[in-house]
Amino acid sequence: KQEVTQIPAALSVPEGENLVLNCSFTDSAIYNLQWFRQDPGKGLTSLLLIQSSQREQTSGRLNASLDKSSGRSTLYIAASQPGDSATYLCAVSRTNPMNTGFQKLVFGTGTRLLVSP
Amino acid sequence: EADIYQTPRYLVIGTGKKITLECSQTMGHDKMYWYQQDPGMELHLIHYSYGVNSTEKGDLSSESTVSRIRTEHFPLTLESARPSHTSQYLCASSEVSGTGDEQYFGPGTRLTVT
Repeated sequence: KQEVTQIPAALSVPEGENLVLNCSFTDSAIYNLQWFRQDPGKGLTSLLLIQSSQREQTSGRLNASLDKSSGRSTLYIAASQPGDSATYLCAVSRTNPMNTGFQKLVFGTGTRLLVSP
Repeated sequence: EADIYQTPRYLVIGTGKKITLECSQTMGHDKMYWYQQDPGMELHLIHYSYGVNSTEKGDLSSESTVSRIRTEHFPLTLESARPSHTSQYLCASSEVSGTGDEQYFGPGTRLTVT
């Protein structure tokens, strides 16, 4: 059974710091991995999607890496801002959507990030 | 920004009532999903749909039911609400693309059953 763990559970940093969020998964047979952001009481916003054949993806100040063989992914946030404060969720996909037509995501419990001015 | 909507956003209701949580998307996605999320816990898939007239149960057992009569609409119904149903319910949709099967989420419905 796939399990996804995110460390740390909570993180508080001053504005301007670079930071790394960690995600690990127990079954390396994944199709892709997604990082999401969730603001309090809100839905999820997709940040980055990395296919299993890729090593990293970048979007603005965000960079996500994937090491499938070791079951790890990191989300790097450069020059953090108070607006980055949210919970960051990692999710891995268990099946190839092109074969089965369906992608099941397994989520971690998230890292709560607080960036103070 | 994804165009997926959920109503109501918040609902407080008494035990035994029938409720329907609405979810609509305007992106024409074939696949839609319902997740349940308790505070501080992971999201768990409770229902999904490949397309019209196709629905399946997810990983987490749920007493709720769903229907998919139209592509854009995927409502979730609880026939008789109980306090154990108190949770946040998130709807999502996706379409397979060259980069994968990226899911887009609605804002969620926070349900409290008293």
